[in-house]
Amino acid sequence: ETGVTQTPRHLVMGMTNKKSLKCEQHLGHNAMYWYKQSAKKPLELMFVYSLEERVENNSVPSRFSPECPNSSHLFLHLHTLQPEDSALYLCASSPTGHNYGYTFGSGTRLTVV
Amino acid sequence: TQLLEQSPQFLSIQEGENLTVYCNSSSVFSSLQWYRQEPGEGPVLLVTVVTGGEVKKLKRLTFQFGDARKDSSLHITAAQPGDTGLYLCAGTHYGGSQGNLIFGKGTKLSVKP
Repeated sequence: ETGVTQTPRHLVMGMTNKKSLKCEQHLGHNAMYWYKQSAKKPLELMFVYSLEERVENNSVPSRFSPECPNSSHLFLHLHTLQPEDSALYLCASSPTGHNYGYTFGSGTRLTVV
Repeated sequence: TQLLEQSPQFLSIQEGENLTVYCNSSSVFSSLQWYRQEPGEGPVLLVTVVTGGEVKKLKRLTFQFGDARKDSSLHITAAQPGDTGLYLCAGTHYGGSQGNLIFGKGTKLSVKP
């Protein structure tokens, strides 16, 4: 498996459920990201981890909780979500530093019912 | 707000036609990237431009970074159905923390056979 792998590809959850999204990369990248992609909006950066430390949290509601146990794995823990949280959640990785392109996973299509 | 405006939002053309899509901002970027995203997949990096006035070619795709580093264009020659997708531009500002990549909303291109 090459690139960035995200699981599951699709997820339907109730507002009282707890679930986790998983992201894995073996590209040797030291930065990993969670993005939210909704219709008619630009990609929204949620969380950034660089060298396994969180460096950015763009005022994301606490019902989203990231975890980065090592430089190859990233999780997004979800609990008590709202229907407006339904979106495509994309994980990406890159080398640390600026001007590097990101490698994205295929995303998890999340539907909150 | 440091926005990237992409135009047009939607473009539907016949196979063999040429097209240009634009990415504009009022702020200066240290680099700009272009991605293509197909339905159900994550964005895939096409190119990174870092020097004002730079032109890069990728087969039938020509990318240009504006002299003032505030805008970029993507020109496709003799478009093919395989070029169909959402084209996203993303910019990095000078300085800032890891992960300060700003995305536009994208241009959705449809190339009909």
